[in-house]
Amino acid sequence: DIQMTQSPSSLSASVGDRVTITCRASQSISRNLNWYQQKPGKVPRLLIYTASSLQSGVPSRFSGSGSGTDFTLTISGLQPEDFATYYCQQSHSIPWTFGQGTKVEIK
Amino acid sequence: EVQLVESGGGLVKPGGSLRLSCAASGFPFNDAWMNWVRQAPGKGLELIGHIKSKAGGGTTDYAAPVKGRFTISRDDSKNTLYLQMNSLKTEDTAVYHCVWETRPGVFGSWGQGTLVTVSS
Repeated sequence: DIQMTQSPSSLSASVGDRVTITCRASQSISRNLNWYQQKPGKVPRLLIYTASSLQSGVPSRFSGSGSGTDFTLTISGLQPEDFATYYCQQSHSIPWTFGQGTKVEIK
Repeated sequence: EVQLVESGGGLVKPGGSLRLSCAASGFPFNDAWMNWVRQAPGKGLELIGHIKSKAGGGTTDYAAPVKGRFTISRDDSKNTLYLQMNSLKTEDTAVYHCVWETRPGVFGSWGQGTLVTVSS
């Protein structure tokens, strides 16, 4: 199975900050990488698929990049509603696997 | 509107069994690749397993922790996904979500989940 490792596990940031979360795959997954946001008590929400495609309805301050084994999720101008946990997930080979999550907290 | 509604969760003793159901509507279920994803209290997301559409072969795949104990099936005539869980362990305690792959491997639509508690 492909292992996904996110860093950092948590971070503190202020409203307006630029935030970057990284995700590394244990082997090349081309661009088959997706990002999700989960707020407490809520269901995960798809943000980005195939590394950089923005899901419909997701604000443009969210962006994704990368290919192969290294990927990033960037939030340009953190908003109060962005404080949440973010997960990456590979869709290159079954079984699909998730990263352990990155919690974005208010500084 | 897409809806995924899980049911069947509850309290079960270690070693026991439980069957979860997921009623789907608002999309072509018979063409859908479906998944079960769980989240233990305070923990991250974990894929349990996956079932392809009949046209895609109808095959299933499972994560290592549940292989041999859990079985995913589907009834396209009822637009329903199932998860049969046997030999349950305390570490299987989690909220179990039914998830539709809106693109191959992309979890675009999630059910609210049903809580399974394994405890003596």
